[in-house]
This record gives sequence, C-alpha cells and structure tokens, in this order.
Amino acid sequence: GAVVSQHPSWVICKSGTSVKIECRSLDFQATTMFWYRQFPKQSLMLMATSNEGSKATYEQGVEKDKFLINHASLTLSTLTVTSAHPEDSSFYICSARDVRGRGVQPQHFGDGTRLSIL
Amino acid sequence: GEDVEQSLFLSVREGDSSVINCTYTDSSSTYLYWYKQEPGAGLQLLTYIFSNMDMKQDQRLTVLLNKKDKHLSLRIADTQTGDSAIYFCAETMYNTDKLIFGTGTRLQVFP
Repeated sequence: GAVVSQHPSWVICKSGTSVKIECRSLDFQATTMFWYRQFPKQSLMLMATSNEGSKATYEQGVEKDKFLINHASLTLSTLTVTSAHPEDSSFYICSARDVRGRGVQPQHFGDGTRLSIL
Repeated sequence: GEDVEQSLFLSVREGDSSVINCTYTDSSSTYLYWYKQEPGAGLQLLTYIFSNMDMKQDQRLTVLLNKKDKHLSLRIADTQTGDSAIYFCAETMYNTDKLIFGTGTRLQVFP
C-alpha cells in the first residue's frame, strides 16, 4: 500500500517551455502533498506544501509564479515549471501523506522526475 | 533552527553490520525517520521512531534514539550489496507536516 506515482520520470525540453509534473496517490487519499527539489549529491529541499482545494504554501525563496502548484483532488497534485530555463534543471520529487487512520502518517515518495532544460 | 547532520560516506563489507548516524538540533522533534534512496529514484521509507522511544527493531533494521544527545542511528544487520544506496534521516516537529532531511549518507557495500 501507500504507492505514489510521479509522471513523467524524465523530461528534456527547450528553454522557455513550460513543463507539468504529476503526482498521484494510487491507493490512498492525500489532503497534503509535498514538492521537493534535489540537486546532484545533495539532500532534498522542500519547495512547497500542496493542500487539496486551497493554495499551496511555498517555502522562502521559492517563486510561486515560477512553480505553479495545483491540488485539485485528493489523489492528484501537479507542479508546473513555467518558462523553464537551464537553471531549473534538477530532480523533482513529490510525496503524499495518507489521511486515513490514526497515529503517525509518514510521507510516501514518488520516484522523482528528472528535468533537463537545454 | 533546524539542522540535521549525517556523515557523508560509509563503506562496509557484505555480511557485516552497518551503522549510519544522524544528529539533529531541534528538541521538539516528534517523529524521526529513515529513508533510502537508490540512484535516480525517489525515497523509500524504511522505518520511523517516535521521540519518546529509545529503540525500534524491524527485521534487519535497528533504530536507536538518544534524545538527550539528539542522536539517531540506523543499524543494518548482515548488510547486502542491495543495501548500497543513500540513506537520509529526517525529523518532523510538533504540529507540523514538514520533514527536515539530513544531508544523506552514501552506503557502499563491497563483496
């Protein structure tokens, strides 16, 4: 259980293109999903917290107009990198928390999306 | 502030035990986690421990928590080549969903 699917796994596109990444919880519902960015050989940096039916909460220094987040249902959140440039190239990972049950509800992660902007 | 530190690299022989260490600074941590990341992949939750516990064992994995010293460790018994990966510890604080990740430890297992 607790499977998170992220799509696409790898995308290469030209500078100036907008890219949409999807994050789906396959067998559970998630009111909260998280988007992270990971640079090579580094840890994960939280970009934003995505809340179903409301606006995302962005971390300090993350441009909300650059990284658009939509969480329209309990099983889907999307991250759109608008007008992407080479410096946006990175590994983007999403996670989701299961809202069911009681006690600790750890975050379950997708397999990540490698974004390469030429 | 929040700061989670790990040693960068650990190399062990197949069959030996591995111990990965983590230190954190925020005493209000509620849960502490260990995640595994294989190359080019997302994170796999291995285990977690509540902050009022000292130890948790799950098959080959043993988590030890020293709350006084703010030190967390993950012991992998009978380490296999398939255990080679990057291991991240992470914490959440009271009344928040956010995970604060450590710097990650690259574990290399050689035959």
